[in-house]
Amino acid sequence: DAGVIQSPRHEVTEMGQEVTLRCKPISGHNSLFWYRQTMMRGLELLIYFNNNVPIDDSGMPEDRFSAKMPNASFSTLKIQPSEPRDSAVYFCASSLRRATNEKLFFGSGTQLSVL
Amino acid sequence: ELKVEQNPLFLSMQEGKNYTIYCNYSTTSDRLYWYRQDPGKSLESLFVLLSNGAVKQEGRLMASLDTKARLSTLHITAAVHDLSATYFCAVDKSDGGATNKLIFGTGTLLAVQP
Repeated sequence: DAGVIQSPRHEVTEMGQEVTLRCKPISGHNSLFWYRQTMMRGLELLIYFNNNVPIDDSGMPEDRFSAKMPNASFSTLKIQPSEPRDSAVYFCASSLRRATNEKLFFGSGTQLSVL
Repeated sequence: ELKVEQNPLFLSMQEGKNYTIYCNYSTTSDRLYWYRQDPGKSLESLFVLLSNGAVKQEGRLMASLDTKARLSTLHITAAVHDLSATYFCAVDKSDGGATNKLIFGTGTLLAVQP
């Protein structure tokens, strides 16, 4: 399996622009997570989906952030409008919520820079 | 609110030495994970600890879990340079069942010096 695939790897944009991050989870996994990593705040859980349904979005910082999962093999995280403080590495992760010892598999991340 | 704390935040150690990283968490959870992150890279799963007293070992790393003390340790034996990375513990924010909704600790940056 190719693992969790994220795109783009790097994104540089200007303040006010819309940014869309993409994620393809591991085939067969039924849970998907979006995390954000910064030096100041560490790894923060933004939102997670179970069977394509958003379960908990309490970590989404503002209404500027939105996430969708239209099907089991694709998810997007959108920021509109973007701000410099959104600069971070955004990770997507997936898991199979079934067995007790299942773990999260992380993608390579998207390095976002908002100028 | 579940809080996960690691210490130390930074650890510089010499090759061949032993050391332990500690992970404390604030609320009940029976599932704890350890991850490794190399600079500029993604997170790699190391261990999954599922019950009180669980101990797992892989090479020079050994992880244990004490759910009563809400404490996990990651012990490094005879460190080598290749172990240099940031290590994270993460606790499942369980609401009565496993969710895989992980809350991560602050991370411990390990630098192994020759």
